[in-house]
Amino acid sequence: GAGVSQSPRYKVAKRGQDVALRCDPISGHVSLFWYQQALGQGPEFLTYFQNEAQLDKSGLPSDRFFAERPEGSVSTLKIQRTQQEDSAVYLCASSDRDGIQETQYFGPGTRLLVL
Amino acid sequence: GENVEQHPSTLSVQEGDSAVIKCTYSDSASNYFPWYKQELGKRPQLIIDIRSNVGEKKDQRIAVTLNKTAKHFSLHITETQPEDSAVYFCAGGGRRALTFGSGTRLQVQP
Repeated sequence: GAGVSQSPRYKVAKRGQDVALRCDPISGHVSLFWYQQALGQGPEFLTYFQNEAQLDKSGLPSDRFFAERPEGSVSTLKIQRTQQEDSAVYLCASSDRDGIQETQYFGPGTRLLVL
Repeated sequence: GENVEQHPSTLSVQEGDSAVIKCTYSDSASNYFPWYKQELGKRPQLIIDIRSNVGEKKDQRIAVTLNKTAKHFSLHITETQPEDSAVYFCAGGGRRALTFGSGTRLQVQP
């Protein structure tokens, strides 16, 4: 079946622009995670949804970052007033069970470059 | 919060040799430890995982061991092949989110 998909795959933004990144999880997966991966580093947790409920947003680096999953399927990560330090790959992952201790399937990521 | 340290950062082996990557974690509540393989420009892919009620798990050429007392776990790849070349990430999960290590770049020389 179809895996996790993300769009766009690449995004170039001017500093100060707002961006929206989309994640389509595997159909039926209840848990959805967003990670930020800087070049040469491991993914860093941003936020976690169980269905439409955002259970943990402690990893969001500032109030410029906002995520939603209004119908419990597709999720959007929005970054307002982008800064150069926001440049990274943003990965989405989904899991078919509740909680973080279940297998997470990753999407291909969105590579964001802020100029 | 959880802190996961991974080493070595780079590892070069000859085809057919074994490769070992080690990770330590700090949160004693962590009880789920996946390993991901990430090829350049691609998504991380789960290759094996282990839970804290098990000390060792094996899947063909890949094995993972866990020492809860010492808070460390290791990935073992035997009979390495050039297609094993990639970046490998360990992760620890407990009360909160998965925390990833900084990665090991494995190069298998043919």
